[in-house]
Amino acid sequence: EDQVTQSPEALRLQEGESSSLNCSYTVSGLRGLFWYRQDPGKGPEFLFTLYSAGEEKEKERLKATLTKKESFLHITAPKPEDSATYLCAVTVWAAGNKLTFGGGTRVLVKP
Amino acid sequence: EAQVTQNPRYLITVTGKKLTVTCSQNMNHEYMSWYRQDPGLGLRQIYYSMNVEVTDKGDVPEGYKVSRKEKRNFPLILESPSPNQTSLYFCASSLSGGLGEQFFGPGTRLTVL
Repeated sequence: EDQVTQSPEALRLQEGESSSLNCSYTVSGLRGLFWYRQDPGKGPEFLFTLYSAGEEKEKERLKATLTKKESFLHITAPKPEDSATYLCAVTVWAAGNKLTFGGGTRVLVKP
Repeated sequence: EAQVTQNPRYLITVTGKKLTVTCSQNMNHEYMSWYRQDPGLGLRQIYYSMNVEVTDKGDVPEGYKVSRKEKRNFPLILESPSPNQTSLYFCASSLSGGLGEQFFGPGTRLTVL
């Protein structure tokens, strides 16, 4: 069974304190890995798609990387507006266009 | 404005009373999907559709029905709701199937008593 596990469940950071979120996956035939951001009471918002090990993508203070077993979302010098829940999801070749999400990491950045 | 809309946003109902949650997108997307989000269980896919008249089960399809008669609309139907279907529901759409950026609606909070 395809599994996606995110850690930690929650993260409290001081403004400017860089950190990393982890998304580990146990799947056969990764087709794509996605990162989304979700603010309270809202739908998730797309951040990145990664397709193959070694790939990296950046957007402002966020950088996503992918290995054969996990992905990291690095938050560099976070600001309070980076506070949100960050979700990881995967799709695999054998499952068509089905998406499996991890449980998410709640990030709180204090000024 | 490009968007995914859901109606209603909030709904309280009773066990067994059929209901429909509507979802509409104005981006001409091929792919649409429904998810439910529960504390501790995360976001789980219910059904998805690659195109008109083409639907597939996600991870938790039991107790739900969908239809895709038009490209822009993808309603979620609960024929006989039960309390374990109390949840926050999201509809999403994408230009390029499961690999594309998905645009999510604002969510529908459903309570089944």
